[in-house]
Amino acid sequence: DAKTTQPTSMDCAEGRAANLPCNHSTISGNEYVYWYRQIHSQGPQYIIHGLKNNETNEMASLIITEDRKSSTLILPHATLRDTAVYYCIVRAPWDSNYQLIWGAGTKLIIKP
Amino acid sequence: NAGVMQNPRHLVRRRGQEARLRCSPMKGHSHVYWYRQLPEEGLKFMVYLQKENIIDESGMPKERFSAEFPKEGPSILRIQQVVRGDSAAYFCASSTRDSSNTEAFFGQGTRLTVV
Repeated sequence: DAKTTQPTSMDCAEGRAANLPCNHSTISGNEYVYWYRQIHSQGPQYIIHGLKNNETNEMASLIITEDRKSSTLILPHATLRDTAVYYCIVRAPWDSNYQLIWGAGTKLIIKP
Repeated sequence: NAGVMQNPRHLVRRRGQEARLRCSPMKGHSHVYWYRQLPEEGLKFMVYLQKENIIDESGMPKERFSAEFPKEGPSILRIQQVVRGDSAAYFCASSTRDSSNTEAFFGQGTRLTVV
């Protein structure tokens, strides 16, 4: 079973910020929060990860609550090409790449 | 630097035939992972290989499925005597080493349809 819960689907208007929530209430102190996305008919793509501090890169920002029980992935200016399934995964430092547990993710639809 | 290459992208097989899925990892990557994805579901781990070694195959069905990653050439996922339930997208990922500080890069997947 996935260690995270995400909404099944979300809509966002093109050009607006897309905020994707993720609950990980059982996260342990040394587990990271990772986000991937999967555009239709493609393989998953890494977006960002963080431990407890907020993180930002060229793709997105990751906001992790102080208690670390939830996080939000922010796509600041969503485009139609951001339509994809977004996966939130918690991962311990010693977890192998293959030990990641993938839930069903959030299907984000960007509307023109 | 080419990414992870999988071929074919689409494969149609009749029940009882064999399916061979190929994965060429990124240059310099010696760790390969295979996953299966059913519609509307997340990825499910199948097998983790290094060159000439199967490290973990705990996600592989016990029968009909096998995987290899030879010293030379691509990794192969082989499904014998395919059944309709094998229809899925199969993804391969590769990495330089297996740790949380390295990312696994995914291929575009092979969509297997069993008719």
